[in-house]
Amino acid sequence: DSGVTQTPKHLITATGQRVTLRCSPRSGDLSVYWYQQSLDQGLQFLIQYYNGEERAKGNILERFSAQQFPDLHSELNLSSLELGDSALYFCASSVATGADTGELFFGEGSRLTVL
Amino acid sequence: GNSVTQMEGPVTLSEEAFLTINCTYTATGYPSLFWYVQYPGEGLQLLLKATKADDKGSNKGFEATYRKETTSFHLEKGSVQVSDSAVYFCALVRGAGSARQLTFGSGTQLTVLP
Repeated sequence: DSGVTQTPKHLITATGQRVTLRCSPRSGDLSVYWYQQSLDQGLQFLIQYYNGEERAKGNILERFSAQQFPDLHSELNLSSLELGDSALYFCASSVATGADTGELFFGEGSRLTVL
Repeated sequence: GNSVTQMEGPVTLSEEAFLTINCTYTATGYPSLFWYVQYPGEGLQLLLKATKADDKGSNKGFEATYRKETTSFHLEKGSVQVSDSAVYFCALVRGAGSARQLTFGSGTQLTVLP
């Protein structure tokens, strides 16, 4: 158990809809990362938050947004869903201090299926 | 920019065979390097890491040496087991401090047959 909790584990929805994925980081971790894993694209970095502020952005579509709340949990919002958005979405957390070597702790993922 | 290239899979081996999964990187400076493993139905977990050149990371019988001359971090295990069947990801860290993030390779699927 990594200590990172993601909900829901599975989600099936239709094209054009909007969903919210939730992540609770490990206790004490200030940084949250979102990754998308699909068969054709591999593991793609989407976005990172640190202590409530956006820190880095990767290949995140404009239809997607995220935020990190004061209690450090994070939500990834996916809107106007398309078939190609079907993937496994991972949340990861880390301490992200100067002494940290970069190890991330991953949740078990949320599997999104868009029909 | 920084990137990681892994050997393509899938790789299928018999139990007790020797395993090598190649990983090379492109980066400015000397980033920390990692191998993550993803077992079926689970998230990624850190397998081993090396933070500077010539460091050897090791865990669960797996080893990888940070070679700056060849910009490589190949994963090896002398005798694989069925339980090692998983997807293996090579990764490097980019950025610094609170903006640090991992860049992953494409992953290599390993299947070990009894």
